[in-house]
Amino acid sequence: GENVEQHPSTLSVQEGDSAVIKCTYSDSASNYFPWYKQELGKGSQLIIDIRSNVGEKKDQRIAVTLNKTAKHFSLHITETQPEDSAVYFCAASISTGNQFYFGTGTSLTVIP
Amino acid sequence: DAGVIQSPRHEVTEMGQEVTLRCKPISGHNSLFWYRQTMMRGLELLIYFNNNVPIDDSGMPEDRFSAKMPNASFSTLKIQPSEPRDSAVYFCASSSYRITNNSPLHFGNGTRLTVT
Repeated sequence: GENVEQHPSTLSVQEGDSAVIKCTYSDSASNYFPWYKQELGKGSQLIIDIRSNVGEKKDQRIAVTLNKTAKHFSLHITETQPEDSAVYFCAASISTGNQFYFGTGTSLTVIP
Repeated sequence: DAGVIQSPRHEVTEMGQEVTLRCKPISGHNSLFWYRQTMMRGLELLIYFNNNVPIDDSGMPEDRFSAKMPNASFSTLKIQPSEPRDSAVYFCASSSYRITNNSPLHFGNGTRLTVT
């Protein structure tokens, strides 16, 4: 089955700096990669996703890149703000199935 | 849309008691997932349903765990009897699954279960 690895497990950045979280996956059939943000005491919220026919996607300060050959994808947050502090999860999924395989999460702290 | 609604938000119970967690998916969604989250194991898929039918329950840890989806707008996860190691946050999620194109999961706010 699919195996998703996520790094780093914790990340601290100064406000205004960029943050990068990386994930790798093992199943070349995976073709959909969402990223979720989990704030304390809440469920995970989708923040951005990318499909395998696209190499990069941006939404304001958030971007995701995908390298299908290397089987890795990354989340980039620019101009970080304290409210970006949360746990971020990556996931991989195959369109013909309905299972999502999650990374172990990255706890991001933005220091004011 | 109210999103995925879970109840209760917190549950504290004694070992051996029955626990029932409830979930109302987003209206129109045809897939429902139950996850368990712990510090040690992260997010674990317990079971998921498509069109109210259980598709994969291989993540259900033991026979003490059971899940039902009697209709498209309601699901339960039951633990009987509960044990301290079941303490975790349990999340329900739903999606609008189409075989030709994934759609993202929408998570509820979770139920924090503590078994003493």
